[in-house]
Amino acid sequence: EPEVTQTPSHQVTQMGQEVILRCVPISNHLYFYWYRQILGQKVEFLVSFYNNEISEKSEIFDDQFSVERPDGSNFTLKIRSTKLEDSAMYFCASSESDRVGKETQYFGPGTRLLVL
Amino acid sequence: DQQVKQNSPSLSVQEGRISILNCDYTNSMFDYFLWYKKYPAEGPTFLISISSIKDKNEDGRFTVFLNKSAKHLSLHIVPSQPGDSAVYFCAASATAQGGSEKLVFGKGTKLTVNP
Repeated sequence: EPEVTQTPSHQVTQMGQEVILRCVPISNHLYFYWYRQILGQKVEFLVSFYNNEISEKSEIFDDQFSVERPDGSNFTLKIRSTKLEDSAMYFCASSESDRVGKETQYFGPGTRLLVL
Repeated sequence: DQQVKQNSPSLSVQEGRISILNCDYTNSMFDYFLWYKKYPAEGPTFLISISSIKDKNEDGRFTVFLNKSAKHLSLHIVPSQPGDSAVYFCAASATAQGGSEKLVFGKGTKLTVNP
């Protein structure tokens, strides 16, 4: 069964450093998403991406964040200068479409980011 | 801003009995609802969904009921099995005009099914 994959599974970084989280969405999917879950809190939407551009972003997704689809398979989330409060589990998701039928979003296993 | 609320942080049931997980929402623009199951250190796994044009959707042991007037949905698992023990998240989305649809999640309910 096709699945979303994410690398690395864990990332430890120093405050102020740049990190890139990688995702390989399901191959025939067209819409891509990043969510995060701070320990003990809700899963929160960060950004959605379609047709090589951001469709929607939350207030969390400030200038320190960027997303990119550098090739036909990878989807990356970059945090330019990490802060302590960026420590969280980051989930990538993909969906086939957002037609009226509302395709479901499928999630990857997540990357646990720890900023020291 | 809790647009999606799961008021029970935990639920414990006996194997073979019914598990009922509840979810309330406040945003009347939501028109698609999903339940995800999550094990520790894993991503949310899609379980079942329902569109606002329906009031019930069933898939094997899992049934989701939607009461739009009450802005309430519930997930029924019957019979419950020990392997169902996990955190269950309710999520909702609204139609985006020409755009993608972010999911708004509840805080989750931890279900424990005792053998």
